[in-house]
Amino acid sequence: QKEVEQNSGPLSVPEGAIASLNCTYSDRGSQSFFWYRQYSGKSPELIMFIYSNGDKEDGRFTAQLNKASQYVSLLIRDSQPSDSATYLCAVNPPGSARQLTFGSGTQLTVLP
Amino acid sequence: EAQVTQNPRYLITVTGKKLTVTCSQNMNHEYMSWYRQDPGLGLRQIYYSMNVEVTDKGDVPEGYKVSRKEKRNFPLILESPSPNQTSLYFCASSGQGSEKLFFGSGTQLSVL
Repeated sequence: QKEVEQNSGPLSVPEGAIASLNCTYSDRGSQSFFWYRQYSGKSPELIMFIYSNGDKEDGRFTAQLNKASQYVSLLIRDSQPSDSATYLCAVNPPGSARQLTFGSGTQLTVLP
Repeated sequence: EAQVTQNPRYLITVTGKKLTVTCSQNMNHEYMSWYRQDPGLGLRQIYYSMNVEVTDKGDVPEGYKVSRKEKRNFPLILESPSPNQTSLYFCASSGQGSEKLFFGSGTQLSVL
């Protein structure tokens, strides 16, 4: 079983809709959770991080964490074509210092 | 400008010919790491370094070497490259107390 799992997609949503990206992780003791965005041919960039159960909002982005169910999600409201990218979920397992385990990513396409 | 600089951006080589991919950061970060990215497998950590002269294996260290003689530099060495090391490589760094990774622009390596 992969430590961090994401649906690879592709996920397509119309412009203006809410895009929902999901991620599950296997290590129950994980404490830190991150969402990176990667445009085609570019390097990943951090867009959200969350440590506590519940929701964390930043502009059009909301990260949701449920440690009991071991999932973390990213919602993108009012999706724009510029949001089209691959979204990588990353988890910092316990005892791993600052090593991150990445999921394989979900490819999102926002259709104009 | 704060950045992580990798060179070269593209590299084509032949099996067995030693090569080095350089990585340098100008943010005085303690932590540096190398990842490889393959389709469907996401980012996998090769080696990481918590500080000068402190390095450790990640998830896929076989066939790679690293060194950290200076804080800013963290080169990745392939002493005898093989075709299964054909991949997109990213160097990343983060500062003390932060889990935010800054990525270099990537090195696309092809081993023939």
